[in-house]
Amino acid sequence: DAGITQSPRHKVTETGTPVTLRCHQTENHRYMYWYRQDPGHGLRLIHYSYGVKDTDKGEVSDGYSVSRSKTEDFLLTLESATSSQTSVYFCAIRSGSRDYGYTFGSGTRLTVV
Amino acid sequence: TQLLEQSPQFLSIQEGENLTVYCNSSSVFSSLQWYRQEPGEGPVLLVTVVTGGEVKKLKRLTFQFGDARKDSSLHITAAQPGDTGLYLCAALSGGYQKVTFGTGTKLQVIP
Repeated sequence: DAGITQSPRHKVTETGTPVTLRCHQTENHRYMYWYRQDPGHGLRLIHYSYGVKDTDKGEVSDGYSVSRSKTEDFLLTLESATSSQTSVYFCAIRSGSRDYGYTFGSGTRLTVV
Repeated sequence: TQLLEQSPQFLSIQEGENLTVYCNSSSVFSSLQWYRQEPGEGPVLLVTVVTGGEVKKLKRLTFQFGDARKDSSLHITAAQPGDTGLYLCAALSGGYQKVTFGTGTKLQVIP
């Protein structure tokens, strides 16, 4: 019972196509995040949400959009996939407590060919 | 955006050895977290340290937060193959809705 699930786990897509990744949580946490992880860059924040329909940009948001229509779901869309967006994408959730850490999903490995 | 530097980047040691990894910044943190990530999985929280000079122990792992709250270390005693993974530090500052992650230390413990 992970509390957070990502889908799909793996995806190969063609350059120029739109792609949507889904994050689903059962913890009722307010905060949700999308990160990408690349060798040499670590985890970089793409977008985050602090409530239903409340989202904001992270440090690498260009080419990505997000939506959160329900507390439990946070969607990441690559509007027109490029090879530079080949990466492993992680969703994370967090309660509002100062000392409470992130809980991460298992990741989505996306390859853009 | 804070820059978090972790060292070393890679570490390969024999089972039973001790090791220390470091997380440094020029900025002051309100708190700092350590995570471990295994291949094919997301990072898992190990500990949060919030007070300058704080030391926390988790079995064979000892975490220390620098007095000035700009640096932290993770010490593993008698490393085991199960300790193998990527260790990430993450700094929280100001508003805690977002954190900055270090680039990680990849640890391999050889049986």
